[in-house]
Amino acid sequence: NAGVTQTPKFRVLKTGQSMTLLCAQDMNHEYMYWYRQDPGMGLRLIHYSVGEGTTAKGEVPDGYNVSRLKKQNFLLGLESAAPSQTSVYFCASSYSIGGPAADNSPLHFGNGTRLTVT
Amino acid sequence: AQSVTQLDSQVPVFEEAPVELRCNYSSSVSVYLFWYVQYPNQGLQLLLKYLSGSTLVKGINGFEAEFNKSQTSFHLRKPSVHISDTAEYFCAVMVGASGSRLTFGEGTQLTVNP
Repeated sequence: NAGVTQTPKFRVLKTGQSMTLLCAQDMNHEYMYWYRQDPGMGLRLIHYSVGEGTTAKGEVPDGYNVSRLKKQNFLLGLESAAPSQTSVYFCASSYSIGGPAADNSPLHFGNGTRLTVT
Repeated sequence: AQSVTQLDSQVPVFEEAPVELRCNYSSSVSVYLFWYVQYPNQGLQLLLKYLSGSTLVKGINGFEAEFNKSQTSFHLRKPSVHISDTAEYFCAVMVGASGSRLTFGEGTQLTVNP
């Protein structure tokens, strides 16, 4: 049981380049999330999805797009990377609103993708 | 909207000493509260959570936290820390109707020295 898998683990981009981060979960979770982690700022929610084919904006959505074509996958895209997007990106998944009472943890995290934009 | 404040960004302690990591939250409605731990180059793992019931919650690795509604706090404690507890710790809050969306604090780096 792999849990939440993120690819790639590391990436370096030049300003203006594009890329897609892939998140895959094998726990049949409905909800999936993309967070970015920056020093002194904790984790901030970029976008999330409450089910296949649906997406919604989080706290810091600008400059990112997402897609949830399959329940198990949640893609995060950067169309034109900027140095301000240098960060560690975490994907997470969870059950639906009954999660905290029905599951051991509301969120299961991947190990992160370290992105540097020069 | 809810928010979470972790009062200390860095907490250095000696091995076997007690430790308290402080967390305050703001919300006008009932909340669920969580502490997560992040070891270097890894994702976050759940330490413990408060949903309802007893205000003293025990988690993994000997950690516990106390929910104090009047002070809107959820401080994390351990009576005797080990070197292996060195990590970053995040407090998080979820408002009941927000559908599992968590708001995280800024994090506290706990460093345990020999």
